[in-house]
Amino acid sequence: KNEVEQSPQNLTAQEGEFITINCSYSVGISALHWLQQHPGGGIVSLFMLSSGKKKHGRLIATINIQEKHSSLHITASHPRDSAVYICAVRSGGPGGAQKLVFGQGTRLTINP
Amino acid sequence: DSGVTQTPKHLITATGQRVTLRCSPRSGDLSVYWYQQSLDQGLQFLIQYYNGEERAKGNILERFSAQQFPDLHSELNLSSLELGDSALYFCASSVRQDAYEQYFGPGTRLTVT
Repeated sequence: KNEVEQSPQNLTAQEGEFITINCSYSVGISALHWLQQHPGGGIVSLFMLSSGKKKHGRLIATINIQEKHSSLHITASHPRDSAVYICAVRSGGPGGAQKLVFGQGTRLTINP
Repeated sequence: DSGVTQTPKHLITATGQRVTLRCSPRSGDLSVYWYQQSLDQGLQFLIQYYNGEERAKGNILERFSAQQFPDLHSELNLSSLELGDSALYFCASSVRQDAYEQYFGPGTRLTVT
């Protein structure tokens, strides 16, 4: 079982729909990151959170530490939101070093 | 533009060969991270350097090595290449050493034939 699981793996929706992508993890973490990877391959960091909720424009990220679960929401989705969304958790390694462990990603397609 | 640069953008080489990927972090960032993204494995952390010293190691093969130079740029060396090494290789940089907010480069697409 992967340490970080995302669902769904693929999601197709119509423009304007409310989108939710889920991330569950099984390890202790110091923070969780949501990343966006566009079709060209570039990766952009959307959010980094360790508790509660963060909002940026039409994007909202929440995390529940007790349940080891995070969600990424997109309101009023638009075709330009089409991308792969990747959840990554920051956890400790040997010697106290922190590293990112990634989910498999959710491929989102928004049709006009 | 994240401010992180990677060269080359594309690399095609044959099995058994050796290649070097280069990464220049954002100005002021001391940490460099290397990641591999293959179709079947997704993104995986390979190795981190902080201010010239190895800080953390992930799923990096013995055939792979990296270093960070005094000017803070980093190189990832891949040797005895196999077909399965074909992937996108990203580097990222951050100010801190604890995998804090990272800025990703555009990646190097390696194809091994």
